[in-house]
Amino acid sequence: GAGVSQSPSNKVTEKGKDVELRCDPISGHTALYWYRQRLGQGLEFLIYFQGNSAPDKSGLPSDRFSAERTGESVSTLTIQRTQQEDSAVYLCASSFISSGYEQYFGPGTRLTVT
Amino acid sequence: RKEVEQDPGPFNVPEGATVAFNCTYSNSASQSFFWYRQDCRKEPKLLMSVYSSGNEDGRFTAQLNRASQYISLLIRDSKLSDSATYLCAVNGPYQLIWGAGTKLIIKP
Repeated sequence: GAGVSQSPSNKVTEKGKDVELRCDPISGHTALYWYRQRLGQGLEFLIYFQGNSAPDKSGLPSDRFSAERTGESVSTLTIQRTQQEDSAVYLCASSFISSGYEQYFGPGTRLTVT
Repeated sequence: RKEVEQDPGPFNVPEGATVAFNCTYSNSASQSFFWYRQDCRKEPKLLMSVYSSGNEDGRFTAQLNRASQYISLLIRDSKLSDSATYLCAVNGPYQLIWGAGTKLIIKP
């Protein structure tokens, strides 16, 4: 079946511009996660959605970062006024339920801020 | 102390050898444990879930030691294609908590 998809796969933007990243989770997965991974580093949790509950935004690094999810489907991660330190791979994952269930990752969006 | 810790490596291992690495976790209430594999510039992919009784999948064996709060991954007869970073994940209250990964390099 279809896995997690993300778009775009690569994004190059100028410092100060806004970017929007998209994630389509596996159908039926109620939980959705966004992570950031800088080159050579581990996964950095950003935000988590579970069904219709309020999202856990505790990992968002600044108020320039925001995310939305429509029901149990598509999610978008928005970064406003991008900075060079935002350059990273942004990974989305989904799981059937939250804690205790394995997560499946999309291929990521590689963001480069020039 | 980090919630989930891994030796970053790299582990440099000759092809055909057996290699093992551990992942320690701090929350004794954790119930679910996973090993993921991440190839260079790719997303993490689920390798194995770790069950209380341990589990084996071909050349890979995962075990859980609750008393000492760690999980392990053993790779037998290592192949060049096993070169990757291996991430462990442990359930937290609402999501998985991730280790930073152990880098494995298999040399011919």
